[in-house]
Amino acid sequence: RKEVEQDPGPFNVPEGATVAFNCTYSNSASQSFFWYRQDCRKEPKLLMSVYSSGNEDGRFTAQLNRASQYISLLIRDSKLSDSATYLCVVNRNYGGSQGNLIFGKGTKLSVKP
Amino acid sequence: SQTIHQWPATLVQPVGSPLSLECTVEGTSNPNLYWYRQAAGRGLQLLFYSVGIGQISSEVPQNLSASRPQDRQFILSSKKLLLSDSGFYLCAWSSRTGLLYSNQPQHFGDGTRLSIL
Repeated sequence: RKEVEQDPGPFNVPEGATVAFNCTYSNSASQSFFWYRQDCRKEPKLLMSVYSSGNEDGRFTAQLNRASQYISLLIRDSKLSDSATYLCVVNRNYGGSQGNLIFGKGTKLSVKP
Repeated sequence: SQTIHQWPATLVQPVGSPLSLECTVEGTSNPNLYWYRQAAGRGLQLLFYSVGIGQISSEVPQNLSASRPQDRQFILSSKKLLLSDSGFYLCAWSSRTGLLYSNQPQHFGDGTRLSIL
């Protein structure tokens, strides 16, 4: 099983749609979880951290299921500007690698007018 | 607020030439620092990380090296570039939390797009 696995997409959705991305991770000892957004040919940018109780930031909702080792990101009322690749990120948490994160390969989202 | 600077933005180098990419962080002390590479259409690959001056850990064996001569300066180098070194190189920093099993998010510089001819 890969350390972090995401559906690569692309997800092609119309403006205003609700879209959900899923991610699974292999290390049950991981403690920190994030979603990043990466625009084409740009650096990844932190979108939101993911907390055990789930958290919301405007149109974005993140959920964590530790038992299933599963993270999700829900985007409501999609905007054209949401088009990007969304990276699921988990901390490594073994082998003395404090501070190391594992980045999924990303799910590409394309929002169409 | 914290900022991270990375340069140059693009670089075209011949095979066999040396490389030096520089990254500096402002507005924070004792950061963890990282170098990543992203090949076209691929995910981020961690190359090196550093938890302090002179402390470098390598994630994968390769043609590259890293150095941290100052607290907020991280340098990626190569003596002789290979065609396979082409890619998008990203420097990142994170705060050190003091908690062994919890990590802060990482924040990236604008990246250097390296093409080897």
